[in-house]
Amino acid sequence: GDSVTQMEGPVTLSEEAFLTINCTYTATGYPSLFWYVQYPGEGLQLLLKATKADDKGSNKGFEATYRKETTSFHLEKGSVQVSDSAVYFCALSDLQNFGNEKLTFGTGTRLTIIP
Amino acid sequence: DTEVTQTPKHLVMGMTNKKSLKCEQHMGHRAMYWYKQKAKKPPELMFVYSYEKLSINESVPSRFSPECPNSSLLNLHLHALQPEDSALYLCASSQVLRGNQPQHFGDGTRLSIL
Repeated sequence: GDSVTQMEGPVTLSEEAFLTINCTYTATGYPSLFWYVQYPGEGLQLLLKATKADDKGSNKGFEATYRKETTSFHLEKGSVQVSDSAVYFCALSDLQNFGNEKLTFGTGTRLTIIP
Repeated sequence: DTEVTQTPKHLVMGMTNKKSLKCEQHMGHRAMYWYKQKAKKPPELMFVYSYEKLSINESVPSRFSPECPNSSLLNLHLHALQPEDSALYLCASSQVLRGNQPQHFGDGTRLSIL
């Protein structure tokens, strides 16, 4: 079955540091890939997505590239801010589940940015 | 501000109570979802509705009863819950028949069972 393996946290960085959160996946079909972010006390927000190989999703300075050859979708940001502190979830939606939008989530990575 | 609205934000109930969680969206999405999220864990899918019909039930105990009265509303009826059911309950919606469309989440209802 489908699975997502995500970098274990927690991750603590200083403000303006470079961020990478690793995500690899296993899927039987043609997955779309997503990064969601969850701020304290809130639900999940879509951060970015990519729907096919070599697509790059980007939003709010975050980027991730869909790499089919390495089955990866690593999240990066060049200069993090305190406001980026949150839990980040990598997820996939397999097109084989056409019509049923079942998301498979990674375990989540808690990120803390210190001033 | 999220486009999926959940009420109430917090709920405390005893094990013999009956209560309902409500979810509303006005994005024209025809797929709606209930998730359960325990602390420091990813969301776990409970139910999926597609065009107001239940399409996925992830072997959820019958003390949780979903209802989709129309394309904008989703309810989760609760009865005789157990302490281990305490969690954040998230509602989400998405377009149907497009595997590349993201789900939009509400802020959740934090449920505590006494």
